[in-house]
Amino acid sequence: GAVVSQHPSRVICKSGTSVKIECRSLDFQATTMFWYRQFPKQSLMLMATSNEGSKATYEQGVEKDKFLINHASLTLSTLTVTSAHPEDSSFYICSANKRGSLQETQYFGPGTRLLVL
Amino acid sequence: GENVEQHPSTLSVQEGDSAVIKCTYSDSASNYFPWYKQELGKGPQLIIDIRSNVGEKKDQRIAVTLNKTAKHFSLHITETQPEDSAVYFCAASENYGQNFVFGPGTRLSVLP
Repeated sequence: GAVVSQHPSRVICKSGTSVKIECRSLDFQATTMFWYRQFPKQSLMLMATSNEGSKATYEQGVEKDKFLINHASLTLSTLTVTSAHPEDSSFYICSANKRGSLQETQYFGPGTRLLVL
Repeated sequence: GENVEQHPSTLSVQEGDSAVIKCTYSDSASNYFPWYKQELGKGPQLIIDIRSNVGEKKDQRIAVTLNKTAKHFSLHITETQPEDSAVYFCAASENYGQNFVFGPGTRLSVLP
């Protein structure tokens, strides 16, 4: 199998606070993890790519100081939304590649719905 | 960079009929084309994928065809069932599991 989990599944926070979202690969080691954002009725937009033990690579237009990514181990990556504002409300989804599989697909987590009041 | 278009944006079919969703891509270097199904409030689930060295792949009621020359690939679902109702996304990548570019999605409704 290739199961990816996310925690929490949904979170509501006040404007100005920080929120941390965890992404875990449960039954495999992940060389690379990806973070996406999805607004209602829209497609998935890649925010950043992270490799274990190195700095994340952010897509154009994504503020690295606002969306902090830590890929501390081969099974865990975290996304911290700092000083969240209502416009950060979205569905955040992570995915992962299996370690050792050069031609492997991305396995997606169930997503985290963030609502900033 | 890569650009992926997807049609139609919405599709309604009667239960038992077939559904076809088409995607076109712009980067001839793309070599991997997955299809994902996303149900409301959930993450995308891989349903089928195809690599550039293959023209067609089938898995039970689901098939994908790839035309590299025309740079388009299609998802075919036969004998549709109400549980097939979801949003379907195609994606293209020039580096297999990396650098996915997603299409805008197709909302499929299977009417009982």
